[in-house]
Amino acid sequence: AQSVTQLGSHVSVSEGALVLLRCNYSSSVPPYLFWYVQYPNQGLQLLLKYTSAATLVKGINGFEAEFKKSETSFHLTKPSAHMSDAAEYFCAVTSFGNEKLTFGTGTRLTIIP
Amino acid sequence: DSGVTQTPKHLITATGQRVTLRCSPRSGDLSVYWYQQSLDQGLQFLIQYYNGEERAKGNILERFSAQQFPDLHSELNLSSLELGDSALYFCASSATAGQGTQYFGPGTRLLVL
Repeated sequence: AQSVTQLGSHVSVSEGALVLLRCNYSSSVPPYLFWYVQYPNQGLQLLLKYTSAATLVKGINGFEAEFKKSETSFHLTKPSAHMSDAAEYFCAVTSFGNEKLTFGTGTRLTIIP
Repeated sequence: DSGVTQTPKHLITATGQRVTLRCSPRSGDLSVYWYQQSLDQGLQFLIQYYNGEERAKGNILERFSAQQFPDLHSELNLSSLELGDSALYFCASSATAGQGTQYFGPGTRLLVL
């Protein structure tokens, strides 16, 4: 079975500060990892994905994530937060041949002006 | 805009009733996934169809059923509705049957009174 743990259900950062959202996964097979963002009253938008190529993955809106197998982590970062980054962020895991995404519980990001 | 469409956007109904949620995948995508998002359960995978055939089942109740039609659109049928079925229901689509990137629709918000 696969699982994802997102540390911190709520994270607040000041505008212009570093954003760090944590995701740890559990998988007995090589994982594929995703970050999705959900803005209020909207669906989930794919930010970035890791599918066993480069361990540092760049996504949209200036976000990136690094796959660290030794730490079973896939943390999401952005060097400088913008007010428009306020949203809920979900980490998800799947694997080759697996049909479903298993999501974490989400992290709500608040940006302080 | 992910290219996945869902109707209706909102649905209000009473306990015991039956509703049908509709999803049209992105052009060319053969796989359709249904997810439920609720406050207490988070984002949970319900069921997947690939090219008209059921491919994988998750935490889907027996009162719920789905199908994918020859034109690849999918419907999720929820019957004997209970208060606890109130949730956001998302449809996602992908080009392949497994581990492909899933693109999410805007969701249908169901409220059971």
